Amino acid sequence: DAGVIQSPRHEVTEMGQEVTLRCKPISGHNSLFWYRQTMMRGLELLIYFNNNVPIDDSGMPEDRFSAKMPNASFSTLKIQPSEPRDSAVYFCASSTRGRAPNEQFFGPGTRLTVL
Amino acid sequence: AQTVTQSQPEMSVQEAETVTLSCTYDTSENNYYLFWYKQPPSRQMILVIRQEAYKQQNATENRFSVNFQKAAKSFSLKISDSQLGDTAMYFCAFMKRGTQGGSEKLVFGKGTKLTVNP
Repeated sequence: DAGVIQSPRHEVTEMGQEVTLRCKPISGHNSLFWYRQTMMRGLELLIYFNNNVPIDDSGMPEDRFSAKMPNASFSTLKIQPSEPRDSAVYFCASSTRGRAPNEQFFGPGTRLTVL
Repeated sequence: AQTVTQSQPEMSVQEAETVTLSCTYDTSENNYYLFWYKQPPSRQMILVIRQEAYKQQNATENRFSVNFQKAAKSFSLKISDSQLGDTAMYFCAFMKRGTQGGSEKLVFGKGTKLTVNP
């Protein structure tokens, strides 16, 4: 299995630009998570989906952030407009229902730098 | 809301020795899972070990074992025979048990940076 795939691996952009991060979960997994890692706040959940439906988006910082999961094999996290404080590593993870205790498999992360 | 606390920002150990990383958590849930993840410099998140709260027996995975004290809400990780490849950030994480086996989010501690010295 290829594991969770994220693209791009690195992204450098200027403040005000739109950024789109992409994730392909492991085939057959029905839950998908977006986490953000920063020095100040550590690892925190942004949003997660079960069966393509958003379940908990309480970690999404503000309206500039949006996430979609149009089908079981693809998800996007969009930031528009981006700000320097959005600089972080963004991880996508997936897991499969019923396989206790619901191990989450992480992608390699996308390092975002907003100048 | 659940919280996870790792009180040791950094630790170091000599190769082949044993080290214990501390983790405490706070929750009102009775059914939950606990995890230790390793993040080497490559930044890949790797599951080290997991514990189901209803199990009294401490989990072990080769050189890694945990000391799970449910009443004290403590979940420490012991690494035996430390190897240079164990150098990494280690994160303790909590997950409440989902309904009908569904997945829930991980709540992470701030991490402990472990350095294994030759």
